[in-house]
Amino acid sequence: DSGVTQTPKHLITATGQRVTLRCSPRSGDLSVYWYQQSLDQGLQFLIQYYNGEERAKGNILERFSAQQFPDLHSELNLSSLELGDSALYFCASSVVGAAEVNTGELFFGEGSRLTVL
Amino acid sequence: LAKTTQPISMDSYEGQEVNITCSHNNIATNDYITWYQQFPSQGPRFIIQGYKTKVTNEVASLFIPADRKSSTLSLPRVSLSDTAVYYCLVGVFSGGYNKLIFGAGTRLAVHP
Repeated sequence: DSGVTQTPKHLITATGQRVTLRCSPRSGDLSVYWYQQSLDQGLQFLIQYYNGEERAKGNILERFSAQQFPDLHSELNLSSLELGDSALYFCASSVVGAAEVNTGELFFGEGSRLTVL
Repeated sequence: LAKTTQPISMDSYEGQEVNITCSHNNIATNDYITWYQQFPSQGPRFIIQGYKTKVTNEVASLFIPADRKSSTLSLPRVSLSDTAVYYCLVGVFSGGYNKLIFGAGTRLAVHP
């Protein structure tokens, strides 16, 4: 158990719909990362938040958005869903200090499997 | 950001030592090298991290030459349960800009 909690574990929805995936990082971790992994594909970095602020953006579609709340949990919102959005969505967290260079490792959740029909 | 190159797949047998090499020619001075393991439908799991020379923990060793343009993950005496995808990442964690990119990874198959 990594300490990172993701809900829901499984989600089936239809094209055009909107879903929200939730992530609770490990206690004390300030940074949250979102990754997408399609079937038999590598992990695609989507976005990173640090203490409520967006810090880095990857290949995140405009139909997708995310935020990190004051209690440090994060949500990934996926809208106007398409068949190709079917994937495992992973959240990871890490302890990252504000000022120092920290080589902390990433702790991944078990993922949310999204199926778009 | 340093790009990494790894073999797409490797095969081994139980009890053998497996070495997976990752190339990262444009690694920056502050970058660390980190390896992750991923089983199907599970989140990646941290294996080992290093900056230079050799790092060893209870599951693996990481060899990094002086020029740091490559690194080798060594798994001693693999078992069937080591069948997984192994990812090499290069980067630095800081409060500022992070964009941790996973490459395609190396799919290791361990055979009886």
